[in-house]
Parts: sequence; structure tokens; C-alpha cells
Amino acid sequence: QKEVEQDPGPLSVPEGAIVSLNCTYSNSAFQYFMWYRQYSRKGPELLMYTYSSGNKEDGRFTAQVDKSSKYISLFIRDSQPSDSATYLCAMIRTGNQFYFGTGTSLTVIP
Amino acid sequence: KAGVTQTPRYLIKTRGQQVTLSCSPISGHRSVSWYQQTPGQGLQFLFEYFSETQRNKGNFPGRFSGRQFSNSRSEMNVSTLELGDSALYLCASSLARVGEQYFGPGTRLTVT
Repeated sequence: QKEVEQDPGPLSVPEGAIVSLNCTYSNSAFQYFMWYRQYSRKGPELLMYTYSSGNKEDGRFTAQVDKSSKYISLFIRDSQPSDSATYLCAMIRTGNQFYFGTGTSLTVIP
Repeated sequence: KAGVTQTPRYLIKTRGQQVTLSCSPISGHRSVSWYQQTPGQGLQFLFEYFSETQRNKGNFPGRFSGRQFSNSRSEMNVSTLELGDSALYLCASSLARVGEQYFGPGTRLTVT
């Protein structure tokens, strides 16, 4: 079993929809949680970074962490075609080793 | 501020050869990590360097090695290439050991 599980999708939504992306993890030692966006043929780009349970908002993006359930989510409001990309969750545990989900492919249809 | 740069961007090698990839982190960043990305396995951690010392190593064979120089630039080397080494190799830098990572565009390696 992988330490970080992410539904690979693909996910296809109409423009303006609310998108929900999710990851689960098995190791309670994970302390920091991130979401990255990766466009085709590019490196991942950091979107959100949080270290506590609860919600963190940045524009149209909201990251949610539930440590008791070992579950993190990324919500995208008013989705745009430019949001079409692969979204990767990532986590850090003691020792600064990053663990990534396999990514969810999102397409926003105009 | 310039981002993370990686060279070369594309590389084609033959089985059995060796390859060296280079990464220049964001100015001031002392931590550099390397990852292998493939469609089936996603992003897998190779190793992390901080101030010229390898601090973490992922679960890859000894054919994969790396180093970091005093200016924080890093190189990774893969010897005796196998077909399965074909992947996108990503470098990421961060300001501190525990911190946000910023990725370069990657080097796409194809082994034939």
C-alpha cells in the first residue's frame, strides 16, 4: 500500500464548476501538506502549503486538511480552462522527505 | 528572481551508458532534491542534498548517485542505464530543509 493515495481521474468538468481533489495517507507522522499543479511538459508548481488541520484559502483555491481522518482536499471554485492540468498532493514527514500522490488529471471544458 | 534550471532538457541514451544531469537551484536555496517521474509510479524521491551533504535517500539502486557543490548546484548521475530509467527527472530547491519546494522544468531522459 502506498503511503499517499490519490485518485488519478481523469476528471472533466464544465467551466465555472467547483472541483474537489482528494488524497488520503496512512502515516500519521506527516506534518506538512502541499498541492502542486503540473502542466504538460512542465515541472510541478506549488499552489498551496499548510501544516495544520483546517482550511487555507488563496483566491479560488482552498486547501483542507483533516489529520484525524488522514485526508486532504483541494477545492477550486469557478474553475477555468487554464486550470486544466495534473494536480499532485504532497506531504512531508520527519526528515524532510517528500511523498507525492500520483496526480489527478483535470480538464475544464469551456 | 530566476527559477530552478535544469540541463539538458532532453536526452537520448543507449542501454549501458551513463548520464549526468545538472540542476541550478533558486539563488539562496541550499536544499536540492531529485525526483523521478513516470506515468505509472508518479513522482518518486531519489535524494536530497543540503549544504553539500546527502541528507535523505529514496529507494533507488546504487546506480543512481548525486552530489552538490559549494554554490548549491547539484548533479545526478545514472550509470549502466536500463530501459526502465526512461523518465522525467525533476530537481527541486527549497530555502530550508523543511520548506516549500520549487521545481525545475525537468530533464526528459529516453533510454533506447
